[in-house]
Amino acid sequence: DTEVTQTPKHLVMGMTNKKSLKCEQHMGHRAMYWYKQKAKKPPELMFVYSYEKLSINESVPSRFSPECPNSSLLNLHLHALQPEDSALYLCASSPDEGTKYSNQPQHFGDGTRLSIL
Amino acid sequence: SQELEQSPQSLIVQEGKNLTINCTSSKTLYGLYWYKQKYGEGLIFLMMLQKGGEEKSHEKITAKLDEKKQQSSLHITASQPSHAGIYLCGAFRLTDSWGKLQFGAGTQVVVTP
Repeated sequence: DTEVTQTPKHLVMGMTNKKSLKCEQHMGHRAMYWYKQKAKKPPELMFVYSYEKLSINESVPSRFSPECPNSSLLNLHLHALQPEDSALYLCASSPDEGTKYSNQPQHFGDGTRLSIL
Repeated sequence: SQELEQSPQSLIVQEGKNLTINCTSSKTLYGLYWYKQKYGEGLIFLMMLQKGGEEKSHEKITAKLDEKKQQSSLHITASQPSHAGIYLCGAFRLTDSWGKLQFGAGTQVVVTP
């Protein structure tokens, strides 16, 4: 069981569709993350939100648009995706971003398996 | 960028046997995390190590951090089928923001009867 909930679990969309991935946590964490994971590869960071503000954007294409409506919710809006964007999208949260002297473990959801036709 | 190398890439162990996975960083480690992932699922947080020489255990899993060698090891005693999966080590990148967690390539563990 995970305390970070992601919906939907699976998503199939065409390249012209618009869809959104959702992530929710009720642990009072103030940092939330989106990762992309291709098959047989480790997760790669996409975005970090800290206290509901975008803290890090790892040069992600604009067809991915993150949103943090409140401290418990994180969305990833998808538009005009490419076949190479098919992957497992993972959301994570941590108490805060952490510092050099106080690292914070990140807790992950089960992910959304995205397939682009 | 900080690189993390895990070894072995994969291993097959008979149920009841012990196994060890290593994670070596090419740069200074300020914290080392171990996660487990079942195929197509999320990552399960196992342990976090912050100080050189630190050792933590949870059930049959023990992790150690050797700060001088920039290395961590994960040891599973008397492996069980439930230990099968992909084990990932992760460390913070040395940037202005400490929110960047970088992972090793992972070690796939298969437990046979």
